[in-house]
Amino acid sequence: ILNVEQSPQSLHVQEGDSTNFTCSFPSSNFYALHWYRWETAKSPEALFVMTLNGDEKKKGRISATLNTKEGYSYLYIKGSQPEDSATYLCAVNSGAGSYQLTFGKGTKLSVIP
Amino acid sequence: EAGVAQSPRYKIIEKRQSVAFWCNPISGHATLYWYQQILGQGPKLLIQFQNNGVVDDSQLPKDRFSAERLKGVDSTLKIQPAKLEDSAVYLCASSLRRDSADTQYFGPGTRLTVL
Repeated sequence: ILNVEQSPQSLHVQEGDSTNFTCSFPSSNFYALHWYRWETAKSPEALFVMTLNGDEKKKGRISATLNTKEGYSYLYIKGSQPEDSATYLCAVNSGAGSYQLTFGKGTKLSVIP
Repeated sequence: EAGVAQSPRYKIIEKRQSVAFWCNPISGHATLYWYQQILGQGPKLLIQFQNNGVVDDSQLPKDRFSAERLKGVDSTLKIQPAKLEDSAVYLCASSLRRDSADTQYFGPGTRLTVL
């Protein structure tokens, strides 16, 4: 079973601050990494799918990087807003004949106005 | 484009009762997933369908859980009988292809409470 770790578990930031969280995974047998944002009472929303070492993706104020050699991905939020408050989930697939995504426990972000 | 639909949104049952959840994926999506998310943990895949065939059900507790996807569109997940530890959010997702680099689109989930 793949072990996907996310840190921190939760954090509180002031509106306007920038923040980042980490997703760690075994660097061997990597195929794809997904980031999702899950607001309370809503559907998890896909943010990024990343497959290549060195990949950088951006969507508005949110960006992500991927390092498959050392087994981590960073998610950055620039100038946090209250509407960014959500749980951010990372999910990884190792390939090797499996189509299964293994999710981390998530990072819960609270942005204080 | 309509998203993934799930019903009911909330369900409260007594232990040993039965419950069923329904999912309607995005039109044209061949792959459908059911996940279980227990409080404090990440979603865990229960079963994956490709059209109406099962691709992966290795983590489905088959003594009490069952799922079907008739005609390769809608799907139903059933628990019979329910246990206290089945309290969780049950998420349905769909993707266009059976490729783990393909984006999975999620429904809002069904929150199950077993008393």
